[in-house]
Amino acid sequence: DAKTTQPPSMDCAEGRAANLPCNHSTISGNEYVYWYRQIHSQGPQYIIHGLKNNETNEMASLIITEDRKSSTLILPHATLRDTAVYYCIVSTGANNLFFGTGTRLTVIP
Amino acid sequence: GAVVSQHPSWVICKSGTSVKIECRSLDFQATTMFWYRQFPKQSLMLMATSNEGSKATYEQGVEKDKFLINHASLTLSTLTVTSAHPEDSSFYICSARAGLAALAKNIQYFGAGTRLSVL
Repeated sequence: DAKTTQPPSMDCAEGRAANLPCNHSTISGNEYVYWYRQIHSQGPQYIIHGLKNNETNEMASLIITEDRKSSTLILPHATLRDTAVYYCIVSTGANNLFFGTGTRLTVIP
Repeated sequence: GAVVSQHPSWVICKSGTSVKIECRSLDFQATTMFWYRQFPKQSLMLMATSNEGSKATYEQGVEKDKFLINHASLTLSTLTVTSAHPEDSSFYICSARAGLAALAKNIQYFGAGTRLSVL
């Protein structure tokens, strides 16, 4: 699997949009970008994934650059419950998910 | 989203005993299940991949005779930590993935994890 690079930590004010960047410059054409998050002492939670086009669901939006070498996860209105470690993962889906160190997002009241 | 149930959520055992952890996909059939381990302040590390009805594939450095995995049905996989020792104390997490052709689009859904403490 291609590796990803994420900032180790970020802060976001409650109610504001949280924009989490991810670099995946070696992504292959058949690899998706997946985002998961892990709240303390829980299993990871699936957020969203995409291949080329931007995606949006009830939790977040995923913006993928045209060259697919980077992406941004957007939480439109962060709440305290969004405090977690966010993992950006690239995978074909048919193989394993490699969890790097992720970004620790802290939502501040 | 799909639901994966993991049981127990927390277990304490004596050194030398065996512990079984169950992972169930509640509302979909999981052709593939994964077992991860996470030590404090570290990320998830894949231990093994199991396909229903087949032997599990273990990652390098994971002892298959110590961590027994059974995936006998499309909704249940079990991990047995045999002869547990204090160094096996960790957070064990399973995930399940539907078939590649499923509408789930190859998404892995995770259980809540099992915290194992070996005394």
